Amino acid sequence: GESVGLHLPTLSVQEGDNSIINCAYSNSASDYFIWYKQESGKGPQFIIDIRSNMDKRQGQRVTVLLNKTVKHLSLQIAATQPGDSAVYFCAENIGAAGNKLTFGGGTRVLVKP
Amino acid sequence: DAGVIQSPRHEVTEMGQEVTLRCKPISGHNSLFWYRQTMMRGLELLIYFNNNVPIDDSGMPEDRFSAKMPNASFSTLKIQPSEPRDSAVYFCASSLGRGAREKLFFGSGTQLSVL
Repeated sequence: GESVGLHLPTLSVQEGDNSIINCAYSNSASDYFIWYKQESGKGPQFIIDIRSNMDKRQGQRVTVLLNKTVKHLSLQIAATQPGDSAVYFCAENIGAAGNKLTFGGGTRVLVKP
Repeated sequence: DAGVIQSPRHEVTEMGQEVTLRCKPISGHNSLFWYRQTMMRGLELLIYFNNNVPIDDSGMPEDRFSAKMPNASFSTLKIQPSEPRDSAVYFCASSLGRGAREKLFFGSGTQLSVL
C-alpha cells in the first residue's frame, strides 16, 4: 500500500454488497502479507494473512488474493455489514527481515445502510 | 483476556517536556512492538523486543526516543524532550512468538499531543 498523506482512499459500499479493497506492495522479496482492520479509536485488528506460496486464502466472509506477478493484494468482504466500516491496512513482511511489518497507507470503508 | 493495555489513553504536554507511554502486553506473549501512527506516515514500527531484549530499534526516530522492557509484563516508550512533531498515536502490540508470522495484538493506543 502506498501512503496517501492526509486523505485516505475511501470505498463506499451498500450494506449487503461485496467489498474489494486493493493494495499494491512494494518489495518483491516480501513473502508474508496480512490484512488489518482499524475501527475509530482502536488499534489495528488482525483479519487474515497469506504466505507468498499461496494465491488465495479464505476466512469467515473474507478472502485474500495475492498476485505476486504484479505485486498486488486484495481483500474481499462478502455481504458487507455496518460493522465492517473501518480503515483497512495491508502489511508485508520479508522473512529475512525478521519481525518488521511494513504497513500500507490504508483504505477507509464506509458501509451505507 | 484483557488484551494489550496501554496508558495513558490521551496525553497532552508542552514542547520540551518528558513523556512516558506505558504498555502491558498479553500475558505469555514473548514479543512486544511499539508503533507510531500519523496521517502523513501511516503506521511505523519504532522498536520491537523479544523476551524483553530489544531486537531492532532502527525505527526509533532519534535519540530523544527510548524504550525499555524491564520485565515480560511491562514496557515504556519515553520521549525526552518532546516536540510538536512527535504528536501521533502510539500503539503497543504483542505476539506470542518471535516471528512476524505471528498475529500482532494491538492495544488501543496513546494519543499524544505536544503543544
